Amino acid sequence: DIQMTQSPSSLSASVGDRVTITCQASQDISNSLNWYQQKPGKAPKLLIYDSSNLETGVPSRFSGSASGAVFTFTISSLQPEDFATYYCQRHGTFGGGTKVEIK
Amino acid sequence: QVQLVESGGGVVQPGRSLRLSCAASGFTFSSYAMHWVRQAPGKGLEWVAVIWYDGTNEYYADSVKGRFTISRDNSKNTLYLQMNSLRGEDTAVYYCAREAGSVVTHCFGYWGQGALVTVSS
Repeated sequence: DIQMTQSPSSLSASVGDRVTITCQASQDISNSLNWYQQKPGKAPKLLIYDSSNLETGVPSRFSGSASGAVFTFTISSLQPEDFATYYCQRHGTFGGGTKVEIK
Repeated sequence: QVQLVESGGGVVQPGRSLRLSCAASGFTFSSYAMHWVRQAPGKGLEWVAVIWYDGTNEYYADSVKGRFTISRDNSKNTLYLQMNSLRGEDTAVYYCAREAGSVVTHCFGYWGQGALVTVSS
């Protein structure tokens, strides 16, 4: 089974900061990786699909990229509504999540 | 707009059964594969099962294989999850989720609000 290692598990940042989260696959998975945002008590929301495609309606400050088996999710300028937990996912496997907290 | 509404959650004793339902609206239900994804309290997300748009294929996570059954009734626009031989580790919020597109890629484009299942004596 392919494992997805997501890091960091948590981070503290300020409004306006650039935030980067990575997800490493245990083997090559092409670009079939998705990113989700989840706020407390709510269902996850798809943000990025196929490693770099922005879901309709998602702000352009969110982006994703891939280099081999390493996938990167970036928030270019953190907004107050972005404090949440983010998950990478490929097929039946989710990363462990990254909780983005206010510094 | 796409709506997915889960029901059937509750408290159940270990070893007993429970069936979740997910009522779909706002799209052509019979055209999309559907999934169940769960989240234990304070934990991350775990994919549970998928069923093809026409019900011809089903796949399960190893943790539920042989105990859970996913099914659908396209005439009722409803997805089901039959959960048998429940264990404490099955305690979670269960989400139904729709494929983002018409091809099964395990990209979860739409989610329900979730149904809490608590397995406890």
